[in-house]
Amino acid sequence: QSALTQPASVSGSPGQSITISCTGSSSDVGGYNRVSWYQQYPGKAPKVMIYEVTNRPSGVSYRFSGSKSGNTASLTISGLQAEDEADYYCCSYASSSTWVFGGGTKLTVL
Amino acid sequence: EVQLVESGGGLVKPGGSLRLSCAASGFTFSTYSMYWVRQAPGKGLEWVSSLSPNSDYIFHADSVKGRFTISRDNAKSSLYLQMNSLRSEDTAVYYCARKSQFDWYFDLWGRGTLVTVSS
Repeated sequence: QSALTQPASVSGSPGQSITISCTGSSSDVGGYNRVSWYQQYPGKAPKVMIYEVTNRPSGVSYRFSGSKSGNTASLTISGLQAEDEADYYCCSYASSSTWVFGGGTKLTVL
Repeated sequence: EVQLVESGGGLVKPGGSLRLSCAASGFTFSTYSMYWVRQAPGKGLEWVSSLSPNSDYIFHADSVKGRFTISRDNAKSSLYLQMNSLRSEDTAVYYCARKSQFDWYFDLWGRGTLVTVSS
């Protein structure tokens, strides 16, 4: 049950696109299409942005998209806005019916 | 309103016990798998425990196995986490979360309750 690997921080200017990677193994990210991404503001509960690798829940901006290749999943945010500044966590269902989160990525909008 | 509200957090000494509760409302609690996820101060999210709708499937992270027990009372729409032999590394905000009925993600979260383990 090792945490998935995410970059500690990413940054971008308004209007730009950024991508956050999430690397795991064949026992989690690579083995299942059950990767989700969560946005968290300081002191608040997480909110799902992407589920099952590429699906966007109703109400989430089209600017958020997800993908996966092998053991690495990615979250892309296009047309960066100030309100996107937050922490982002990937999460994957894993073998033995466990779940594993990434260490989190702090997104700064310059 | 559809919501989850955690309670029961507080300050406890190492080796002590605490029982967290999560009150669900606004949805049919008995049809959802429920989870506990924690977040240590300034750290990332960590899955703690899972429980199926009828309590027939229970899973705990290795870090809490043998010390924590997840349970539920569907009649009271409540989820619980009994935490024993607490350690300083268990200090965290504990979130109650609901898994989507048909998809693989957590679609509803509570606001969390803070557990501090310190002498």
